This record gives sequence, C-alpha cells and structure tokens, in this order.
Amino acid sequence: KQEVTQIPAALSVPEGENLVLNCSFTDSAIYNLQWFRQDPGKGLTSLLLIQSSQREQTSGRLNASLDKSSGRSTLYIAASQPGDSATYLCAVRPRGTSGSRLTFGEGTQLTVNP
Amino acid sequence: DAEITQSPRHKITETGRQVTLACHQTWNHNNMFWYRQDLGHGLRLIHYSYGVQDTNKGEVSDGYSVSRSNTEDLPLTLESAASSQTSVYFCASSLGGANSPLHFGNGTRLTVT
Repeated sequence: KQEVTQIPAALSVPEGENLVLNCSFTDSAIYNLQWFRQDPGKGLTSLLLIQSSQREQTSGRLNASLDKSSGRSTLYIAASQPGDSATYLCAVRPRGTSGSRLTFGEGTQLTVNP
Repeated sequence: DAEITQSPRHKITETGRQVTLACHQTWNHNNMFWYRQDLGHGLRLIHYSYGVQDTNKGEVSDGYSVSRSNTEDLPLTLESAASSQTSVYFCASSLGGANSPLHFGNGTRLTVT
C-alpha cells in the first residue's frame, strides 16, 4: 500500500528566506506527484503536477522536483512571503489506479513571519 | 471561471439522521471525488465517479453513498449519521487521463452530535 509522508509537520521561517518542503512515498510506481496548497477553512489548490517522466516543474517562485527511484519530492519556495503561509500537501497517483485517485500526505504547515 | 461549489459550508446534525452534502462543478469534468479530512489521517477517499451513472467505493465508504445522474453533480449521503463521521468533507473533480490535476471545492464542515 502506497504511503506518503511529509516532514516536518510544521515549519516557521522569517520573510525572505528560501525554503524546502519534503515529501516521500513508499512505492515508486506512480503516474505523477502533485503539490497542493490549503489555506485555513478552504479547499486545496493545485500548485504543481510532476509527471513520472519529469524531474521538475516550476511556477513563479515555486519549484518542485521528483526523484522517483528514491521516492522523494521537494517543493522549493524562493524568497518566502507572509502570503505563502498555508499548509502544503503532496499527493501521488499510484500506477494501476484509474481516474485521479490520489494518496495524500498529511501536509506541512508553513508560517512565514514578517 | 469554472468552479466547484459545495453546500452547505457548515452542518450540525444528530446521530441517526440522514444527511446529504451537495457538490456542483462547472468544469464539465468526467471524474468527481469525495474526500474527508481528519487530523492524523489526512485526506481519505470516500467515493468517486468516472461519469454519469458510474459510482465506486473508496477506502472509507462504509455509511456513505453517492449517485451521479448528471455530469455536474455528485451528492454525498450519510445514511445514518454517526459521531465518527464528524469531519470536513471535500468534493473534487478532474477531467480524466493519467495527468489531469485535481480541483477542489471549499469543503463542508459536518458535526454529528
């Protein structure tokens, strides 16, 4: 059974710092890995999707990498801002599943202090 | 803009009552999903649908049902609400295909007393 782990569970940094969030998964047989952002009381917003054949994806100040063989992904946030404060979740879509059934990690709660 | 609308946003009900949570999407997506989110468990899949008249059980489907009579809606019914079903429920949709991103609604917070 696929398991997804995110460490640390919480992270607090000063504004302007570059930071890395980690995601690990136990089974490398995946279609893709997706990073989401969740604000309090809100749903999840898709940030980046990395296909299994890709090594990284970039969107603005965000860069996500994928090392499928080692079961790891990182989300790099450059020049963090207070508006980046949220919970960040990663999710994998295991091979052999149809539709978009995902297995989620529990998330890293990020606080960026002004 | 296309979106997923969930209603109600908050609901308090009593044990044993039947409850239906609504989900409506304007993405024209084939795939729709219901998840629940709980501390210590993350997001868990309840039911999902790949199209009209299609429904499938997820990993925590006991006590829940769904029906898909059109593309836009996937209501989630709790047959007889239990305190263990107190949670935040999220509806999501995707176009289909191996690499379609998942889009979420804002959730319904359900409390069963």
